[in-house]
Amino acid sequence: GENVEQHPSTLSVQEGDSAVIKCTYSDSASNYFPWYKQELGKRPQLIIDIRSNVGEKKDQRIAVTLNKTAKHFSLHITETQPEDSAVYFCAASKGSGGSNYKLTFGKGTLLTVNP
Amino acid sequence: DTGVSQDPRHKITKRGQNVTFRCDPISEHNRLYWYRQTLGQGPEFLTYFQNEAQLEKSRLLSDRFSAERPKGSFSTLEIQRTEQGDSAMYLCASMPGGAWETQYFGPGTRLLVL
Repeated sequence: GENVEQHPSTLSVQEGDSAVIKCTYSDSASNYFPWYKQELGKRPQLIIDIRSNVGEKKDQRIAVTLNKTAKHFSLHITETQPEDSAVYFCAASKGSGGSNYKLTFGKGTLLTVNP
Repeated sequence: DTGVSQDPRHKITKRGQNVTFRCDPISEHNRLYWYRQTLGQGPEFLTYFQNEAQLEKSRLLSDRFSAERPKGSFSTLEIQRTEQGDSAMYLCASMPGGAWETQYFGPGTRLLVL
């Protein structure tokens, strides 16, 4: 089955700096890669996703890049703010073509943005 | 609130007792998932329903676990003879029927087995 590795496990940045979280996946058939943000005691919420036919996607301060050949994808947050502090999870699934679209998650990155 | 809801939000039980959790998905979402999340880990897939049919179960889902979605709307997850290792957050997610869709998560049920 799919295996997703996520690094780093913790990341501390100063407000205004950029943050980068990296993930690798094992199943070359995976073609959908969402990122979820989970604040303490709350539900995971989708912040951005990317399909395998796209190399990069951006939404305001958040961007995701995908390298299908290397089987890795990254989350980039620019101009970080204290409210960006949370645990971020990457995930992989077959977004089309079957396999029930179940998500395989990384172990998460605790991002702390210091004022 | 039109999001995914779960009940109860917290459950404390003694080892050996049975517990049941409920998930109400977003209306008209025909795909429903259960995940388990332990401290410091990402959610792990447990089982998947398309409408009322349970189409996949993870090997994590021992025979003490059973899930149903009788009318293709809400779902229940029952754990029989709970063990301390069952302590976790149980998350439900729902998704529309098409490809490339987003899974929307509920707030979870936090289970503590004493």
